[in-house]
Amino acid sequence: RKEVEQDPGPFNVPEGATVAFNCTYSNSASQSFFWYRQDCRKEPKLLMSVYSSGNEDGRFTAQLNRASQYISLLIRDSKLSDSATYLCVVESNYQLIWGAGTKLIIKP
Amino acid sequence: ETGVTQTPRHLVMGMTNKKSLKCEQHLGHNAMYWYKQSAKKPLELMFVYSLEERVENNSVPSRFSPECPNSSHLFLHLHTLQPEDSALYLCASSQDGVRASTDTQYFGPGTRLTVL
Repeated sequence: RKEVEQDPGPFNVPEGATVAFNCTYSNSASQSFFWYRQDCRKEPKLLMSVYSSGNEDGRFTAQLNRASQYISLLIRDSKLSDSATYLCVVESNYQLIWGAGTKLIIKP
Repeated sequence: ETGVTQTPRHLVMGMTNKKSLKCEQHLGHNAMYWYKQSAKKPLELMFVYSLEERVENNSVPSRFSPECPNSSHLFLHLHTLQPEDSALYLCASSQDGVRASTDTQYFGPGTRLTVL
């Protein structure tokens, strides 16, 4: 089993819709979790950290489910500019382990 | 944005060439990283430097040789690469200078390397 797994997609979603995707991790002792965003042919950029209590930043909501060992990202009222690859990052044994990313395409 | 810069942005080299990738961070951070990103694969951490000392080397072949002359600059020297080394090489920096860094990482734009 991979340490961090994501559905590669692509998720094709109409503009204005709500979309959610998950990321599973294998190390139950992991303490830190992040979502990064990577636009096509660009570098990854931090989107948001994921806290135990869940956190929200505008249209984006991140949640952690420790029992089932996954984190989720919910995007409401999706915009064309949300099209990107979303990378899940999990701390494991003091290292950051990156998922391969979920590609999201927002269609007009 | 000019927080982390990388040069060159694109590089094509033969298997017998020697080249170097350069990274510079203007954020006052203590840690710098080299990553390899191949298509549809997760980022692979190659090297980590904390306060100019190498603290991580994830079993990277010796044909990749890092150098960190100071906390703002990081190089990756390339020698006798293989076609499978073709990838996007990303440099990143973070504030934390300790090994167990989970700080936000700030990435450069990357160098797209093609090995013929």
